[in-house]
Amino acid sequence: SAVISQKPSRDICQRGTSLTIQCQVDSQVTMMFWYRQQPGQSLTLIATANQGSEATYESGFVIDKFPISRPNLTFSTLTVSNMSPEDSSIYLCSVEAGGGQPQHFGDGTRLSIL
Amino acid sequence: KQEVTQIPAALSVPEGENLVLNCSFTDSAIYNLQWFRQDPGKGLTSLLLIQSSQREQTSGRLNASLDKSSGRSTLYIAASQPGDSATYLCAVKNSGYSTLTFGKGTMLLVSP
Repeated sequence: SAVISQKPSRDICQRGTSLTIQCQVDSQVTMMFWYRQQPGQSLTLIATANQGSEATYESGFVIDKFPISRPNLTFSTLTVSNMSPEDSSIYLCSVEAGGGQPQHFGDGTRLSIL
Repeated sequence: KQEVTQIPAALSVPEGENLVLNCSFTDSAIYNLQWFRQDPGKGLTSLLLIQSSQREQTSGRLNASLDKSSGRSTLYIAASQPGDSATYLCAVKNSGYSTLTFGKGTMLLVSP
């Protein structure tokens, strides 16, 4: 299965600032996704990162708050903008090779906003 | 809209017991179903993937079954160990191009 590296693993940020999370995969993958997991909750999909075009956002998530880049088939970034304490969560990158293959996850970024 | 429910929400068992975790979904027209494990503060580890045409998949002490018609999947863990303690998540995919819908998970604690 693909090896997924996510950076940073954790961070503590000030209210109003922005943080960019990186996701690097060791092989080319068709699909890359970004999820949020709030404390004690299950995973919620933020968006699908599309290579070479704008990401596809789920209801309740907007590009101004969560801009996403995917310049190639092995790398994506998620930025959490103008952070507030409500953004304190674990943010997870996942990948899928397509064709009914399993989806695999990075170790996540644990983000705390003061 | 697909909804996934996992029962029980939490389970505590002594080491050595066999146990069953349940997952149900509202739309039976699924593409595949995946079971994950999540350790505290960590990402998800894929355990088993069952395609819609399959009835079960096995990996070591883990066996997952799928009954599409009744909208159910079970994860069977044989001879549980303390290292099995984690949250187990079930996720359903409705088509080859759709995303995963997750349940809220079952938190398992296996005591020595």
